Amino acid sequence: QKEVEQNSGPLSVPEGAIASLNCTYSDRVSQSFFWYRQYSGKSPELIMSIYSNGDKEDGRFTAQLNKASQYVSLLIRDSQPSDSATYLCAVIDGNNRKLIWGLGTSLAVNP
Amino acid sequence: NAGVMQNPRHLVRRRGQEARLRCSPMKGHSHVYWYRQLPEEGLKFMVYLQKENIIDESGMPKERFSAEFPKEGPSILRIQQVVRGDSAAYFCASSPTGTVSGNTIYFGEGSWLTVV
Repeated sequence: QKEVEQNSGPLSVPEGAIASLNCTYSDRVSQSFFWYRQYSGKSPELIMSIYSNGDKEDGRFTAQLNKASQYVSLLIRDSQPSDSATYLCAVIDGNNRKLIWGLGTSLAVNP
Repeated sequence: NAGVMQNPRHLVRRRGQEARLRCSPMKGHSHVYWYRQLPEEGLKFMVYLQKENIIDESGMPKERFSAEFPKEGPSILRIQQVVRGDSAAYFCASSPTGTVSGNTIYFGEGSWLTVV
């Protein structure tokens, strides 16, 4: 059973700090990785996708992928209270190409 | 450029009634996915469809649930004889090709079903 694991949190950071969200996955041949944000009572919203080892930056968000260690992380710089949400990690299974979801990490940014 | 459209946004049904949830994918997308999210729980995959084909229904309950994506019109998730445990948010997502291509999927705003 392929798995994607995230710390459920809540992760609490002060406004302006860097929030670091981590995700590990069990499938060594996975190639596609995604971070979604979900506000309470809303649908998941894509933040970033990453396919290659290393860092990918988009505004205040940086995704980091390390395939050898099988983890993908999301850094949020200058965290704002509006970043308070659940962050979902999703990975495409390398064999049957299904999207596998983590349960999400709850982030609270305190003013 | 409209996103994934779901309706109704909120639906209340009595136990034993039928619920029909509709999803129109983004323009240019021919792959549709349905997910269920129970309160305080994670996303659970239900079914993956292309036009006129069910590709993967491994997440669908064996009874009372069905899904279709006809050649014309939206995808429909149908729940017969609803029970209180069916109360959840049902999210539809779409992609231009399947996740086999590594494509991102985009979500609609969801349909919240309440069974009373």
